[in-house]
Amino acid sequence: DADVTQTPRNRITKTGKRIMLECSQTKGHDRMYWYRQDPGLGLRLIYYSFDVKDINKGEISDGYSVSRQAQAKFSLSLESAIPNQTALYFCATSDPRTSGITNEQFFGPGTRLTVL
Amino acid sequence: RKEVEQDPGPFNVPEGATVAFNCTYSNSASQSFFWYRQDCRKEPKLLMSVYSSGNEDGRFTAQLNRASQYISLLIRDSKLSDSATYLCVVNIVVYGAGSYQLTFGKGTKLSVIP
Repeated sequence: DADVTQTPRNRITKTGKRIMLECSQTKGHDRMYWYRQDPGLGLRLIYYSFDVKDINKGEISDGYSVSRQAQAKFSLSLESAIPNQTALYFCATSDPRTSGITNEQFFGPGTRLTVL
Repeated sequence: RKEVEQDPGPFNVPEGATVAFNCTYSNSASQSFFWYRQDCRKEPKLLMSVYSSGNEDGRFTAQLNRASQYISLLIRDSKLSDSATYLCVVNIVVYGAGSYQLTFGKGTKLSVIP
C-alpha cells in the first residue's frame, strides 16, 4: 500500500470552477507539502504545513489555499481555476525526527490537473 | 539567477557509458544536498545524499564542492533502467525556526540507449 496517496489522479475542469486535491499519508509524518511541476520549470512549493495548526505559504501560493484537517490529511484548493494552473501536483511528507537535516521528502503519485 | 541550476539535457548515452551531471546553487547558506530521481510521469524519489567527502553507492558517485557551490553526480556503466530525470536538490536550514526547505533544480533528463 502506498504511504502517500493523492486523489484524484487526473482531473479535467473548466475555468472558474473550484477544485480540491486531497492528500493522505500513513507515514505518521508531521510535515506535509504541496508542489506543482511544470515542464521546464521544475518543482515549485505552493504551501507547507509542519503540524495540524501550522500553514505556511511557499514560493507560488497565489490562487491556492490549503487545509490541514488532521496529521494525515492535507488538501489543496483552487478557488477559481485558471488555465495556467494546469500542471502536475505533488503532495509530499517529511519527518525531521527520522530524517534529521536531510529533510528527505516522500512524494505521492501526483495529480494531473488540466484547466480548460 | 536561479537558486539551483542544472543542464536540462537530454543526455542520450549508450548502455555501459559513464555520464556526469552537474549542478550549481546560489545560496551559500545551503546546508545539505541531494540527488532525486524522477521517472516519467512518476513522483520524485531520493537517490542519494551528497557530502563534501563524496558519496558512492554502487555505480553512482555524488560529490560536493562548497567553495564553488557545485554538485555532481556520476553514473558508471549506465543501464537502461537508469533512464530518468535527475533532480539536484538543496536543503536550506533556518536554525531556530526549525525550518527546512528543499529547493529543486529543474532536472536533467537521461536516456540510456540499447
